[in-house]
Amino acid sequence: QSALTQPASVSGSPGQSITISCTGTSSDVGRYNYVSWYQQYPGNAPKLMIYDVTKRPSGVSNRFSGSKSGNTASLTISGLQAEDEADYYCCSYAASRTVFGGGTRLTVL
Amino acid sequence: QLQLQESGPGLVKSSETLSLTCTVSGDSMSSSTYYWGWIRQPPGKGLEWIGSIYSTGSTHYSPSLKSRVTISVDTSNNKFSLKLTSVSAADTAVYYCVAVDWFFDPWGQGTLVTVSS
Repeated sequence: QSALTQPASVSGSPGQSITISCTGTSSDVGRYNYVSWYQQYPGNAPKLMIYDVTKRPSGVSNRFSGSKSGNTASLTISGLQAEDEADYYCCSYAASRTVFGGGTRLTVL
Repeated sequence: QLQLQESGPGLVKSSETLSLTCTVSGDSMSSSTYYWGWIRQPPGKGLEWIGSIYSTGSTHYSPSLKSRVTISVDTSNNKFSLKLTSVSAADTAVYYCVAVDWFFDPWGQGTLVTVSS
């Protein structure tokens, strides 16, 4: 059982927006602004998409955005594209350790 | 450009010790502000943080693996290593080395380690 809770799957049609939630506790997501999100294609290493809750690394599309409210962080993908179909993992710092969500499979219909 | 590459045996016998090395290029570990870490992913499952180390040798380990894990650093050769003792089938996974800030980036390509009985 993962420390952070994500939906197992989400889906959307091209052009739509989807949001993936990541629920933790007051000891991790709720306490620190060090939530990050990773995209992973099958057989590949994960890729950083969002860090420090809302920041995008250079080269990541501005269709990807992050937010946080209380103990829940969220990743929103707008203007959904076929290439966004992948697994997404949230991650939070939690006082000298790091915790991951169980991952969400995004399907583009 | 910072790059990381894992190396080590792809097959380890049950009850023995898993040993992996990560070679860092594009930055000097001794002068870097990064921590360096290991993350694993069992086949078909999610990501699990194993632990991290700073160039000074300061470490942080996952509480669930702490009794079996040692991460060490060799700044003179720009490498860091993972040792996991008393392995079982549950330790079969792709092992990634990563550069650590308050997030993980970049990642090595990953190496599959299978524990056999």
